[in-house]
Parts: sequence; structure tokens; C-alpha cells
Amino acid sequence: DAGITQSPRYKITETGRQVTLMCHQTWSHSYMFWYRQDLGHGLRLIYYSAAADITDKGEVPDGYVVSRSKTENFPLTLESATRSQTSVYFCAVPNEQGTYGYTFGSGTRLTVV
Amino acid sequence: GQQLNQSPQSMFIQEGEDVSMNCTSSSIFNTWLWYKQDPGEGPVLLIALYKAGELTSNGRLTAQFGITRKDSFLNISASIPSDVGIYFCAGPPQNYGGSQGNLIFGKGTKLSVKP
Repeated sequence: DAGITQSPRYKITETGRQVTLMCHQTWSHSYMFWYRQDLGHGLRLIYYSAAADITDKGEVPDGYVVSRSKTENFPLTLESATRSQTSVYFCAVPNEQGTYGYTFGSGTRLTVV
Repeated sequence: GQQLNQSPQSMFIQEGEDVSMNCTSSSIFNTWLWYKQDPGEGPVLLIALYKAGELTSNGRLTAQFGITRKDSFLNISASIPSDVGIYFCAGPPQNYGGSQGNLIFGKGTKLSVKP
């Protein structure tokens, strides 16, 4: 039981290409989150989802699109990748009901050339 | 918006030393969380604090929820090489309405081993 898995682990893409990062959870949490991590900025929220078909913007949503047709999956799409989107992307789900904090995936390191 | 400021940004440790770091905000937080991130991995929750003045330990780690609710502190006693990594503080923003809302993260304190 992997819990929360992200794929791919590493990705190199060219400027202007569309790329999708996948996040899958086995726990059926209603909430799921996407963060990006950059040197000097820490972790910044891109988008989150409160349930299937319900998504909302975070702090840095521009250039990204999300969908949530199934509870267990929360893909993040860069419609036209730019170099500024080179980053490490983390998906997260809340910890057990009644406790704060998230469980993070292992991340996707994306390089846009 | 609300921000969390971590200090120091980075520090070097020698095995056996005690380490202290803190997290401050201009806004009140009702919960403080401390995470550690190992290289190439996602952050992992170390300690959660829920009440002003609370002191909580997890092994050699001790965290405190500041009385003003605008700061929190993390101490590591007798550091060992596996303590290296990035330590983040985090908390739910004030407009957060439920138990599973989003979190704000500090920029992290990076712990490295002294050469």
C-alpha cells in the first residue's frame, strides 16, 4: 500500500510543450494539494481540491491546470511549459481525520529547457 | 498575505551539538507544524503544536508554541549526521475553515554538516 504516489519522478521537457504530472492516493481523502518547491521560496500552493470535481487556486496557479474526475487522482497539467516552471512538484493529502498536517508524495523534479 | 519567516536560513552542525531554529509571523496561528525534508524526498511531519505555550518532544526534537501565538521554536539536542536536511514550519492560514484546509509553509532552515 503505497499511500500517495507521484509520477514521473523526473521529467525534462521543452519550452511550450504540455506536460502532466500525476498524483494518486490509495486512502480516499477528499482533499488533495499540489505544491511547488523552489530555492528561496519554500513550498508554495499551486492548486488544491476539496473533492472530486471541486478545485481551487492556491498562491501560484498561473500556467497550471488541474482536474479531479476521480477521488484518488489529481493530475497537474502545465499547458505550455516555461523555464520558470522548472521546479520540484509535490502532491499532498491531509493526515488522518482530527490531526493536522499533510502526507507528501516523493515529488516530481521537472526541468523545462 | 500571511507569511512564516524562518531563521536561520541555513546552519552547519557538528555531531553532538544542540541546534535551535525558529519561525515567526506577524499574524496569529492556532496550530504550528514542523516538518523535515530529506534530500530527494517529500517533507515529513515531525511535531504538531495546538496550544499557546505547549512544549512537545519527539525523541531528540523539542518544539514550542510561542505564548504570543506568533512564533514557534524547534530544538534538536545532540545532533547526529542524519539530522541534516531542510526543516519547515507550517500552519493553517486564518481564513481557513476546516480541519483539512491548506497550509502555509516557511521557506525552511537547511541543516548541513560542518566540513
